[in-house]
Amino acid sequence: DVKVTQSSRYLVKRTGEKVFLECVQDMDHENMFWYRQDPGLGLRLIYFSYDVKMKEKGDIPEGYSVSREKKERFSLILESASTNQTSMYLCASSLQRWFGGYYNSPLHFGNGTRLTVT
Amino acid sequence: GQQVMQIPQYQHVQEGEDFTTYCNSSTTLSNIQWYKQRPGGHPVFLIQLVKSGEVKKQKRLTFQFGEAKKNSSLHITATQTTDVGTYFCAGFEGSGGSNYKLTFGKGTLLTVNP
Repeated sequence: DVKVTQSSRYLVKRTGEKVFLECVQDMDHENMFWYRQDPGLGLRLIYFSYDVKMKEKGDIPEGYSVSREKKERFSLILESASTNQTSMYLCASSLQRWFGGYYNSPLHFGNGTRLTVT
Repeated sequence: GQQVMQIPQYQHVQEGEDFTTYCNSSTTLSNIQWYKQRPGGHPVFLIQLVKSGEVKKQKRLTFQFGEAKKNSSLHITATQTTDVGTYFCAGFEGSGGSNYKLTFGKGTLLTVNP
């Protein structure tokens, strides 16, 4: 069974702090993703990575950066946390599969990190 | 960019009633996935639809993918309290889009009165 582990379930940080959210997956998945989830807004993609050291911006990358030095680990970095970054952060991973010309693979999510910035 | 709209946002039913959530994309999708998130939990993959007009069933759940591959639906027959949660659709865009990126709908929160 795929396991995606996020380092913290709850986190409280102060405005201006540098925040690291860590995610590790144990199934050798190529793709890894960071989403944030807010009431009424659903899941919004922040960044994703399809290979080690590769990253691509999602829909809302502003104020965030990522790091993928090893295949199993994908880190989300808030360079200077702000109150509008208070949210639930979800990490996910997936296999790269080729099906009829497109990559299709279910996402496996971690349990999430609820971050509060005060 | 691609947008995926999902309706309704909320649905409250009596146990035993049916439930349907609808998903519409602004662009043609190569495939669509459905996820369920229980209260306090994380999204869990339910199913993937790939072919135009495809219909798949999982017990009381029926999933459909439209002929034009721009819309999809999830229908639950005779809801139970265990069906409570938020149901999300998520689509991979067709040609020209990022093949790694799923776009999620905002989800439909289903509550069931026992």
